[in-house]
Amino acid sequence: GAVVSQHPSWVICKSGTSVKIECRSLDFQATTMFWYRQFPKQSLMLMATSNEGSKATYEQGVEKDKFLINHASLTLSTLTVTSAHPEDSSFYICSARDGAGNEKLFFGSGTQLSVL
Amino acid sequence: QKEVEQNSGPLSVPEGAIASLNCTYSDRGSQSFFWYRQYSGKSPELIMSIYSNGDKEDGRFTAQLNKASQYVSLLIRDSQPSDSATYLCAVREGGSEKLVFGKGTKLTVNP
Repeated sequence: GAVVSQHPSWVICKSGTSVKIECRSLDFQATTMFWYRQFPKQSLMLMATSNEGSKATYEQGVEKDKFLINHASLTLSTLTVTSAHPEDSSFYICSARDGAGNEKLFFGSGTQLSVL
Repeated sequence: QKEVEQNSGPLSVPEGAIASLNCTYSDRGSQSFFWYRQYSGKSPELIMSIYSNGDKEDGRFTAQLNKASQYVSLLIRDSQPSDSATYLCAVREGGSEKLVFGKGTKLTVNP
């Protein structure tokens, strides 16, 4: 199956700093990537849909100025959590489809963010 | 608000038994349905996808879909301890690329 690489796997940062998470499709081109957030014992909640070469589409309640998404190429999307606070501590996961019309969604390995 | 509901469990079955996981969804326009397995601290892994009413079998896994009842299930035959994980039901919204996930059912298979 398609491989989605996500880095870093975990990060600890101080409150008020920014953290960048990278998501790469290794063996396919992903025009669309999805960013999810998962709190402990909760389900995955879609934060935004990242489209190559255009602005991301954010879900209701997700601050676009706080969670900056850049999808500059067909294989790379980044999520930057700006001015992170302890309540932003969560498991962030990116995902992508491996081709137009393909229904299957492949996930990155996730990033556990802890904000002190 | 489109919803996907799952019994959070935990569901506990003995090794070799059949585990039955259930999911209901609210969006009648949904056409694509998925089951993901997620181990603690890891990202989800696709187990099954189903698009038509009826059963779909893949090895020890069988997905069942009933669109009229807005119900999808996953059966795991000959359950193994390695099947112990949280199983997430996901539904693609009608006319959208978005996947809506349930909260997951935690399954424990006891040796």
